[in-house]
Amino acid sequence: AQTVTQSQPEMSVQEAETVTLSCTYDTSENNYYLFWYKQPPSRQMILVIRQEAYKQQNATENRFSVNFQKAAKSFSLKISDSQLGDTAMYFCAFAPYNQGGKLIFGQGTELSVKP
Amino acid sequence: DGGITQSPKYLFRKEGQNVTLSCEQNLNHDAMYWYRQDPGQGLRLIYYSQIVNDFQKGDIAEGYSVSREKKESFPLTVTSAQKNPTAFYLCASSSDRDRAYTGELFFGEGSRLTVL
Repeated sequence: AQTVTQSQPEMSVQEAETVTLSCTYDTSENNYYLFWYKQPPSRQMILVIRQEAYKQQNATENRFSVNFQKAAKSFSLKISDSQLGDTAMYFCAFAPYNQGGKLIFGQGTELSVKP
Repeated sequence: DGGITQSPKYLFRKEGQNVTLSCEQNLNHDAMYWYRQDPGQGLRLIYYSQIVNDFQKGDIAEGYSVSREKKESFPLTVTSAQKNPTAFYLCASSSDRDRAYTGELFFGEGSRLTVL
């Protein structure tokens, strides 16, 4: 069975600092996608960043970047220059290739950015 | 603006009653999904539909039913057979044609169901 594990239920960071959220997954698939979604207090899920497993280069979106370690099945999210608006629940998710939107989600990490 | 609309945002139900959650999208997406969110458990897939008049069970389909009569609409019925229906329900969609197999989902704002 494919699983996604986020071992940090809660984290906090000071504004303008950098924080890293951890995610590990288990799969026997070779081709797949990994995602980080953000769920702010408004509750609407927003895609933060996406990584394709066949790409060795780590994905980057402005202040957000990932450290993708395929052999270790690790997919961490780094947020640089944290802002108050980054306060949210963050979910790591996995999707096997060719299975559309059937994502498997981790338990989530609640991030608080403090002024 | 294009997006996904879920209604109602909050719903209260007595035990033994069925309730239907609405999900409408105007993104012209082919696939639609229902996820359930519980504290500490992430999101779990209830049902999904990749084409009109067809849908498949997800990981936790027991006690739920869906229909997909129109491309834009994918309502979820929480039946009295669902033993723990109190949860936050999220509807999502994706375009498997334009963004084939990327897995990217677009979400609605969710519906919170509370059973009294």
